[in-house]
Amino acid sequence: DAGITQSPRYKITETGRQVTLMCHQTWSHSYMFWYRQDLGHGLRLIYYSAAADITDKGEVPDGYVVSRSKTENFPLTLESATRSQTSVYFCASRAGGGLNTEAFFGQGTRLTVV
Amino acid sequence: AQSVTQLDSHVSVSEGTPVLLRCNYSSSYSPSLFWYVQHPNKGLQLLLKYTSAATLVKGINGFEAEFKKSETSFHLTKPSAHMSDAAEYFCVVRGAGSYQLTFGKGTKLSVIP
Repeated sequence: DAGITQSPRYKITETGRQVTLMCHQTWSHSYMFWYRQDLGHGLRLIYYSAAADITDKGEVPDGYVVSRSKTENFPLTLESATRSQTSVYFCASRAGGGLNTEAFFGQGTRLTVV
Repeated sequence: AQSVTQLDSHVSVSEGTPVLLRCNYSSSYSPSLFWYVQHPNKGLQLLLKYTSAATLVKGINGFEAEFKKSETSFHLTKPSAHMSDAAEYFCVVRGAGSYQLTFGKGTKLSVIP
């Protein structure tokens, strides 16, 4: 299917475990992003990638790791999950270029750390 | 640096009455501005975007927004609310030369029958 998909949609994990959230897009967009959404904070950028093998930190990167070996995939790993990482995570992608290029968002992954 | 302030965390309107969701932005350079909508347990969908071609921007589902540089505002309006408009709305800014989208904290719109 065309578009941007995240998996899993829901995940419960225990404190201290490693967990990876997957993001896949079919448009060959250059830019990909990971955001977390928390009540009262809107969406905050965790990491972004401008192209394969190019990643950089956003506003709240601590405790997260990303990689981008292929243009279409941008996994987000929580190395040792903490309860403060309970959140809804959104992946987004955007074609490179113009200032007004919109970003497209996945459906989100609701992660609960117990 | 860029920032967005959504002036109301919650707006409640009656079905058939006008909707006004307020957004003020701060950006060092001419920004791009967007409104996204999020229905419950769904992803974010683009409503409209400011492209500098016109200050009044028309979006989907009857929504409009007006860019006012002098007031640094980008308020979202709709003449007549529908029950299906109940959702959370995010005002988003991207500064010139910036990769990053900066989100407001969101405004939850409730529509009363």
